[in-house]
Amino acid sequence: GENVEQHPSTLSVQEGDSAVIKCTYSDSASNYFPWYKQELGKRPQLIIDIRSNVGEKKDQRIAVTLNKTAKHFSLHITETQPEDSAVYFCAATQWGQNFVFGPGTRLSVLP
Amino acid sequence: GAGVSQSPSNKVTEKGKDVELRCDPISGHTALYWYRQSLGQGLEFLIYFQGNSAPDKSGLPSDRFSAERTGGSVSTLTIQRTQQEDSAVYLCASSLVGITTDTQYFGPGTRLTVL
Repeated sequence: GENVEQHPSTLSVQEGDSAVIKCTYSDSASNYFPWYKQELGKRPQLIIDIRSNVGEKKDQRIAVTLNKTAKHFSLHITETQPEDSAVYFCAATQWGQNFVFGPGTRLSVLP
Repeated sequence: GAGVSQSPSNKVTEKGKDVELRCDPISGHTALYWYRQSLGQGLEFLIYFQGNSAPDKSGLPSDRFSAERTGGSVSTLTIQRTQQEDSAVYLCASSLVGITTDTQYFGPGTRLTVL
């Protein structure tokens, strides 16, 4: 079955700097890769996703890149703000079946 | 439209009692997932329902845990003879499976406290 690894487990950046979180997956059949943000006491919420027929997707300050050959995808947050502080989870799935999540990255943006 | 709902939002029970947690997925979503999240931890997969297929129960931690999904919609997670280590937030999520793959949408969770 699918296995998703995520690094780093914790990340601290200065406000205004960029943050990068990387995930690797094992099943080459996976074709949909969402990223979730979970603030303290809240449910995980989708912030960006990418499908396997696309190499990069951008939405304002966040972007996701996908390398199918290497089986890894990354979340990039530019111009970080304190409100970006949260736990971020990546996931992989084939056609929306059996989502497998990474262990999470705790991002702290220091003012 | 309406999102995923869960009830109760909080449940406090005594050790040894049984509890039932309910999840109402988004209408039309064929896939439903249960996760457990302890404080400060990641998402621990419990069980996955997809359409009429047999559920994937590989994540259930013991035979005290069971879940059912009636009519392809509402799901109930039952924990028998609760233990203190069962205390956590139980999250339900649903998704649409198929060519128009969409993300999972999470419910607000049920916070279970076993005294």
